Amino acid sequence: AQRVTQPEKLLSVFKGAPVELKCNYSYSGSPELFWYVQYSRQRLQLLLRHISRESIKGFTADLNKGETSFHLKKPFAQEEDSAMYYCALGYKLVFGKGTKLTVNP
Amino acid sequence: AAGVIQSPRHLIKEKRETATLKCYPIPRHDTVYWYQQGPGQDPQFLISFYEKMQSDKGSIPDRFSAQQFSDYHSELNMSSLELGDSALYFCASSPSGQGFRANVLTFGAGSRLTVL
Repeated sequence: AQRVTQPEKLLSVFKGAPVELKCNYSYSGSPELFWYVQYSRQRLQLLLRHISRESIKGFTADLNKGETSFHLKKPFAQEEDSAMYYCALGYKLVFGKGTKLTVNP
Repeated sequence: AAGVIQSPRHLIKEKRETATLKCYPIPRHDTVYWYQQGPGQDPQFLISFYEKMQSDKGSIPDRFSAQQFSDYHSELNMSSLELGDSALYFCASSPSGQGFRANVLTFGAGSRLTVL
């Protein structure tokens, strides 16, 4: 069965601090992983896709098959990064429970 | 650029009533997905359509049905509404085929259903 675990429901950091949002997955095949972001009162938006290996808004995520993880990282958090972040797996998107990131001034 | 359009934005119904939500995908996107996001919950996949045929089914109750029409828009029909159906219903669309853009979902703003 496909499963996504985001262990942190809430994450609060200060502006300029590094941030890491954890995501672990369970999938027997070759995974397709995404990070979606939902800013306050806005729609879900694709942030990153593991296959693209790009950096968006300073965020990066590396697929670690050995640890079955796809953690989202940013070296210097900004206040505008405050949002809900969802890790998702597969073509029909099995979502994790989400992590609410708050970046304090 | 045109995005995924959902209608209505807000809907209030009473228990046991029916409701219909509409989704208009991005032009040339032939795959549509429906998700349900309860208060404080993660989005749950309900159902998807590709080329007007149901392509996958998730945790959609039997009281719900959906279809995709020839113009690729989709409608989610919900009957015998229950209090627990109150949620934000997202529609997403994607192009089919292979390549970088495949399986990248673009979400609509959602339709918020409140059942009283």
